[in-house]
Amino acid sequence: DAKTTQPTSMDCAEGRAANLPCNHSTISGNEYVYWYRQIHSQGPQYIIHGLKNNETNEMASLIITEDRKSSTLILPHATLRDTAVYYCIVRPRGNTGKLIFGQGTTLQVKP
Amino acid sequence: DTGVSQDPRHKITKRGQNVTFRCDPISEHNRLYWYRQTLGQGPEFLTYFQNEAQLEKSRLLSDRFSAERPKGSFSTLEIQRTEQGDSAMYLCASSLEPRYNEQFFGPGTRLTVL
Repeated sequence: DAKTTQPTSMDCAEGRAANLPCNHSTISGNEYVYWYRQIHSQGPQYIIHGLKNNETNEMASLIITEDRKSSTLILPHATLRDTAVYYCIVRPRGNTGKLIFGQGTTLQVKP
Repeated sequence: DTGVSQDPRHKITKRGQNVTFRCDPISEHNRLYWYRQTLGQGPEFLTYFQNEAQLEKSRLLSDRFSAERPKGSFSTLEIQRTEQGDSAMYLCASSLEPRYNEQFFGPGTRLTVL
């Protein structure tokens, strides 16, 4: 499975967009990019996933570069409740389904 | 609440004792996963079930660990002869695949081995 690299921590002002980068330079053609987050003392929560096109849902947007070697998760209007650890995960299409988590990015949203 | 539930939420035990955790997945979800998370680290995959069949086990799952999903619904994870290194959060997740790709996680069981 491809490895991902994320910054250890980031800050964001409340109400502003939070842009969380992820590097996955060894990604292969059949691998998806998934994002999960984990709020303190809770289980991880699915946010979004994509293959090569940009994706948007009610929680966030996912921008994947054309060469697919990196991606950015965008929370358009961060709130204090978005403070969490965000995990970028690369997962093969049609695989067993297990998720391989790295250490993620700790996002601190400040008032 | 129709989410994934886990019981107990907290467990304190003495080294050498056996413990068992239970996970109730979302109804009709065919896949069930167990993960372990230690402080400051991301969750690590332990094992997963497709209905009642255990299809993959991580090398992290030593022979002291056993998981079952007897009727393809709830699952149990047993740790025998617990060690202090077993102290962690044990997370359960379920999914309905291949229809949906997201895994829904429970709140976890925090195990402390004294």
